[in-house]
Amino acid sequence: QMTQSPPTLSASVGETISITCRASDITNNWVAWLQQKPGKAPKLLIYKATTLDSGVPSRFSGSGSGTQFTLTISSLQPDDFATYYCHYYDSTSKTFGQGTKVEVK
Amino acid sequence: QLAQSGGGLVQPGGSLRLSCEASGFSFDRYEMNWVRQAPGKGLEWVAHITYSGSLTFYADSVRGRFTISRDNGKSELSLEMKSLRADDTGVYYCVAESPSGYYLDKWGHGTQVTVS
Repeated sequence: QMTQSPPTLSASVGETISITCRASDITNNWVAWLQQKPGKAPKLLIYKATTLDSGVPSRFSGSGSGTQFTLTISSLQPDDFATYYCHYYDSTSKTFGQGTKVEVK
Repeated sequence: QLAQSGGGLVQPGGSLRLSCEASGFSFDRYEMNWVRQAPGKGLEWVAHITYSGSLTFYADSVRGRFTISRDNGKSELSLEMKSLRADDTGVYYCVAESPSGYYLDKWGHGTQVTVS
């Protein structure tokens, strides 16, 4: 189970924001973060809790371990307004957080 | 790339087959998944298949009704859906997971399934 918060986050360009996922019943850091824009497929941002996927801007960062994981976006850009999902993965199944919509304040 | 096809409108109790053709990477080195998204809702993992297709895993919500399969010779992934219900409605994504971990790496563009 991945409990993601907040459901909605209002922010302005240039702000630093954080999204949190609390995990239950996991024993490793196999947590990824995805970005999804309306009408588009999700895009991988971070995997293994802290590793930035190739081509992802460095303003995105992941942290955490154990039961709490965080996605931080530093100096929010206009292109970053989207919905973000955390997800736990293992060899046989995936579990997603409920999503956080980052909207313009 | 993952090019998806199939989908459409089907009546409750009906069947549908989704396909996903991979290109630009070694398909037989990637374990594959289907993930769906109901209208206005979050992401839900549906099914997983191993490299050779010898093992498959399903979400409780679809087990016994959906079948995931692959043809490595054609670089193709399929999802056979039977006994469809209204709550199966949504966009279905074909997703490749990274060979170096189990995270969802490459996403298809999605295909709409409407059960009504």
